[in-house]
Amino acid sequence: AQSVAQPEDQVNVAEGNPLTVKCTYSVSGNPYLFWYVQYPNRGLQFLLKYITGDNLVKGSYGFEAEFNKSQTSFHLKKPSALVSDSALYFCAVRDVRGYQKVTFGTGTKLQVIP
Amino acid sequence: GAGVSQSPSNKVTEKGKDVELRCDPISGHTALYWYRQSLGQGLEFLIYFQGNSAPDKSGLPSDRFSAERTGGSVSTLTIQRTQQEDSAVYLCASSLGDRAGGYTFGSGTRLTVV
Repeated sequence: AQSVAQPEDQVNVAEGNPLTVKCTYSVSGNPYLFWYVQYPNRGLQFLLKYITGDNLVKGSYGFEAEFNKSQTSFHLKKPSALVSDSALYFCAVRDVRGYQKVTFGTGTKLQVIP
Repeated sequence: GAGVSQSPSNKVTEKGKDVELRCDPISGHTALYWYRQSLGQGLEFLIYFQGNSAPDKSGLPSDRFSAERTGGSVSTLTIQRTQQEDSAVYLCASSLGDRAGGYTFGSGTRLTVV
């Protein structure tokens, strides 16, 4: 079985400060890892993914995430938060072997305070 | 189409009625997924289509739920004899089918059972 944990229901950060949204995962084999963002009354939008290679993955809107195999983590980061980054963020995982559905976390609400 | 289209965007139905939710994926995307998003529950996997076949129906919560896909394109999720606990946002996503790809989500159908 595979699972994702997002330990924080909400993260508050001041505009201009760095932000981190935490994610840990569990899979039997090696993972594919994803981050998605959901703005109010909108569907989920793909931000970035880790497949293989560099542990630091860069994505849309200045976001990046670091894959840490030993800690089974894939935290989302941004050096300087914008008010427009306020949204719901989902981490997701799937096993690289065969077909496995993507499993999503429960989401973390990011609030950037002006 | 340019994106994943879902209809209706909102549906209010009386308990016990049947509802049909429609998803029109991106042209050429062979894989199609249905998820359900409930408040505080993250995204719950329902069913996966590859072409017109559904190799993974493991997430359908009961036999009141069914889905089909025709012509490798449009999919319909049907909920029979709706219950209040079926109230949620139903999200459809499609992908090229490669295992490492990210999904493109539609904006969802908000179902309210009264």
